[in-house]
Amino acid sequence: EDKVVQSPLSLVVHEGDTVTLNCSYEVTNFRSLLWYKQEKKAPTFLFMLTSSGIEKKSGRLSSILDKKELFSILNITATQTGDSAIYLCAPLIGGTSYGKLTFGQGTILTVHP
Amino acid sequence: GAVVSQHPSRVICKSGTSVKIECRSLDFQATTMFWYRQFPKKSLMLMATSNEGSKATYEQGVEKDKFLINHASLTLSTLTVTSAHPEDSSFYICSARPGQGESNQPQHFGDGTRLSIL
Repeated sequence: EDKVVQSPLSLVVHEGDTVTLNCSYEVTNFRSLLWYKQEKKAPTFLFMLTSSGIEKKSGRLSSILDKKELFSILNITATQTGDSAIYLCAPLIGGTSYGKLTFGQGTILTVHP
Repeated sequence: GAVVSQHPSRVICKSGTSVKIECRSLDFQATTMFWYRQFPKKSLMLMATSNEGSKATYEQGVEKDKFLINHASLTLSTLTVTSAHPEDSSFYICSARPGQGESNQPQHFGDGTRLSIL
């Protein structure tokens, strides 16, 4: 059975702090790993990681994948209150041409002013 | 780019009613669209994969006759919850992925539909 575990489940920090969110996975037919941010409504795409060891960056956010150890991390530096959200990790798996996403339970990040 | 529109955003109706939810890709074509269900404080659970011009592929445990999916065009997929009951109350989210086949494009999500069955 495919398994995706995110940690911590929740995190409370103050503005300016740096956070690291973890995602470990055990899945079959792994293709890539995606990170999404979910606020009140639908998830918004952050990163898609396909290769090990190559860091992807977008502003204060960065992410990296380790396909040997089967995990990924999402870093957020100089956090702001607008970063408060649920962060979802989702390996893309499957033998079909389109694959499917298997979501972790998410990390709830709360950033206080 | 890559905008997905989902409608309606909120539905409240009586038990026994059928409810149709639309998912549209506004600025791209999507051969494949996905339907998820999310319970409070839980993650997204894939219900089915909708393929344009063919039958949907349902995940294990999802009733095909209960959740009817139609993907009639490259920009529109619909989910109909038939004879809805209170246990069907949930947050339903669709997603679409630009491109065809083994595209390396990520899925983009609609804003979801909050369904409440009284």
